[in-house]
Parts: sequence; C-alpha cells; structure tokens
Amino acid sequence: QVQLQESGPGLVKPSQTLSLTCAVSGVSTNIDTYYWSWIRQPAGKELEWIGHIHSTGGTNYSPSLNSRVTISIDTSKNQFSLTLSSVTAADTAVYYCAGDEEPRWFYYWGQGILVTVSS
Amino acid sequence: EIVLTQSPGTLSLSPGERATLSCRASQSVSSNYLAWYQQKPGQAPRLLIYHASYRAGGIPDRFSGTGSGPDFTLTISRLEPEDFAVYYCQQYGSSPPLTFGGGTRVEIK
Repeated sequence: QVQLQESGPGLVKPSQTLSLTCAVSGVSTNIDTYYWSWIRQPAGKELEWIGHIHSTGGTNYSPSLNSRVTISIDTSKNQFSLTLSSVTAADTAVYYCAGDEEPRWFYYWGQGILVTVSS
Repeated sequence: EIVLTQSPGTLSLSPGERATLSCRASQSVSSNYLAWYQQKPGQAPRLLIYHASYRAGGIPDRFSGTGSGPDFTLTISRLEPEDFAVYYCQQYGSSPPLTFGGGTRVEIK
C-alpha cells in the first residue's frame, strides 16, 4: 500500500520561500515510475493543482504559479519536494502531495499539511 | 485553461436516495480524461472515478460516472451515511494544467 507523508514548516513569513517534502513508502517499484504532484486547498475552497514531476525529470507546472514553483525528486530517498518562492497570504492553504502511475489523476494522497503565510 | 463548473452547489438528500451530480467543462475534455473525488472534512480527497466512467480500486458499485465532451455526471445510486461529503470533478487536458471544479456538497436532508 503506497503511503505519502508531507513534512515542512507550518508557518512561513511573507516574501519567503515555502519548502515541503513528501516521503513515499510502500511503492512496489521505484518511485520513478510514478507521477508525483502537489495540490493545495485554501480553507473552504476548491483544490488547485500546483504541478507534477516524473523520474525523467520532466515537470509540468500550473501556469499561474510557474514563475514561483519548483518540484524536485530524490529517488534515492523516495521523496519529492516543493518550493514556492515569494509567498503571500494567498498561498495559505493545506498542501497535499499526491501520486499515480498516470499523470491524469491521483489515486494516492498524503494527509495534507497546513501552511500559513503570516508575519 | 478548461474551467469546470459543478452543479448544484449543494444537494440535500436522505439516505437511500439517488444523487446526481453534474460537471460541465468550458470546452470538450480531451479523451474523456475526467475524474471524480470525494472529500470528507479534515481528510484528503479520495479518487472515485477516472477516465469518466472507471471506478477506482475499492470503490463501491453504487458510484458510477458517465459523460463525454463537456458534460459529465456522477451518480450515487443509493446514498449511504458515509457518502455525505463534498465531491469534486477534475480534468486533464492535452497540456497542463489539471483543473478541478468548485465542488458539490451532498448533505443530509
């Protein structure tokens, strides 16, 4: 059973960089056969896809966040990461990591981590 | 970017009733790459349906998805107490981004 677990600071100051990591366990093959995504959800609002990465190193990002987002993967540690620069209060949300063998939807989800942007 | 509009915003039903949720795209969804998720308070979404009509592993057969082009439907044939939640549709186009709909809340009447 694939399990994902987000980790990182729950509070980030405005204009700083948000950094989160997602640890993957239980994958029957290397994590590099999957597509790994970050998705966020402001309180009481809908889900927003941030981007994804595949082992080929290929990434795709939401155009609205593209200039501020980097997703990377460390297959030796079975984890992938998100950095989001120049954050504002609008970036306050629950951040989920998610994955699937397809890039088109998400079967596996982490429990989510609340990140608040505030001074 | 494809915009997904879900209706109704809230559906008030009783256990045992049938729920019909709609998801309309601003343009045709490529290859019917549309998924449905269920989300309960404080939990991550759970994949119910992918590729418009295929049930994800472990999903009961009371959940079904239909549709093509811009119009898709999630049907819950007989609501169980655990089905009261928020449901989201999500599409994957020929190029990113993936987009989600605004959600439909299914609440107990």
